[in-house]
Amino acid sequence: EDKVVQSPLSLVVHEGDTVTLNCSYEVTNFRSLLWYKQEKKAPTFLFMLTSSGIEKKSGRLSSILDKKELFSILNITATQTGDSAIYLCAGLGLFSGDKIIFGKGTRLHILP
Amino acid sequence: GAVVSQHPSWVICKSGTSVKIECRSLDFQATTMFWYRQFPKQSLMLMATSNEGSKATYEQGVEKDKFLINHASLTLSTLTVTSAHPEDSSFYICSARFAGQIETQYFGPGTRLLVL
Repeated sequence: EDKVVQSPLSLVVHEGDTVTLNCSYEVTNFRSLLWYKQEKKAPTFLFMLTSSGIEKKSGRLSSILDKKELFSILNITATQTGDSAIYLCAGLGLFSGDKIIFGKGTRLHILP
Repeated sequence: GAVVSQHPSWVICKSGTSVKIECRSLDFQATTMFWYRQFPKQSLMLMATSNEGSKATYEQGVEKDKFLINHASLTLSTLTVTSAHPEDSSFYICSARFAGQIETQYFGPGTRLLVL
């Protein structure tokens, strides 16, 4: 059965710290790994990763995929209180309805 | 970017009533729409995949007679929670996808359902 596992499930750090969120996946006919940020409403898209070893970067956020180890990380540097959210990792596999399978998320709380 | 709307954003209803939630893609034709449910402090759980003009495909454990999905046009899908009970209280989110762009899903803002 396909699954996406995120760790830690929750994390509390101080503003300015750097955090690393982990995501492992087992997805049949894997195509892409996706990261989303969810605050009080629906998720907003952060990154899509398809190739191993190529870092994607957006401001203080970056992410990388390891297709050999079936793993991805999301890094946030110099965290701010506005980074407090649930970060969702999701895997997309082809030919199984092309469904996106979400992990349980990491609930990140940044203390001022 | 593409916009997906949901209506209503909040609904409170009595146990036993039916509730309809609409999901619209505002500026593109969505060949596929997905319906998710999210309980507090949990992740999004896919309920069903809806393709325009055909029957929805439900995930295991989701009762198709209880959660009726209609995807009558390329811009509208509806989810009807029939005979709602308190345990159906949840956050329901739809997403829409263009033809040929399987990685890209545009999420609606979600609908919070509270069944008393």
